[in-house]
Amino acid sequence: RKEVEQDPGPFNVPEGATVAFNCTYSNSASQSFFWYRQDCRKEPKLLMSVYSSGNEDGRFTAQLNRASQYISLLIRDSKLSDSATYLCVVNGLTGGGNKLTFGTGTQLKVEL
Amino acid sequence: NAGVMQNPRHLVRRRGQEARLRCSPMKGHSHVYWYRQLPEEGLKFMVYLQKENIIDESGMPKERFSAEFPKEGPSILRIQQVVRGDSAAYFCASSPARGQNTEAFFGQGTRLTVV
Repeated sequence: RKEVEQDPGPFNVPEGATVAFNCTYSNSASQSFFWYRQDCRKEPKLLMSVYSSGNEDGRFTAQLNRASQYISLLIRDSKLSDSATYLCVVNGLTGGGNKLTFGTGTQLKVEL
Repeated sequence: NAGVMQNPRHLVRRRGQEARLRCSPMKGHSHVYWYRQLPEEGLKFMVYLQKENIIDESGMPKERFSAEFPKEGPSILRIQQVVRGDSAAYFCASSPARGQNTEAFFGQGTRLTVV
């Protein structure tokens, strides 16, 4: 089983749609969780951290369910500029530092 | 405050040559991570370093690959005797310290092409 699993997509949605991405992780000792965004041939950039209580940043909502080892990202009112690959990232502390493990990413294409 | 700086941005090497990729972390960051991304694939962890120490190299291939982060200067990822399969984007990230919610910041990557 992969450490971090995501549906690769692509998700093709019309502008204005709501879309949800899911992610599962295998290491129950994982400490913290993030969603990163990666545009084509660019570096990954942090979109948001994910907390057990859930957190929201504008049109983006992230949720964590530790019992099910499941993370989600919800994008409301999607924009053309949201088209990118969304990476689920799990942080497991190792030997005095952080080791970020990335899922393979879910590709989103927002269309007119 | 400059971000994570990687150079070169693009590197072309013939099979059998050596590739040296450099990464300067953000100011104040003492932790460096190297990731490899093959075409159409996700990021794969390679190695995690602090100054003068390799903390976790579980993702590094056993042969031809090495990494260092000296007391002075950038972190270096070195690939000896490159093969076509080494062609990929190599991303470096840095973070300030150990911590549960510590974000890692990425450089723009070095795209290695082996011909």
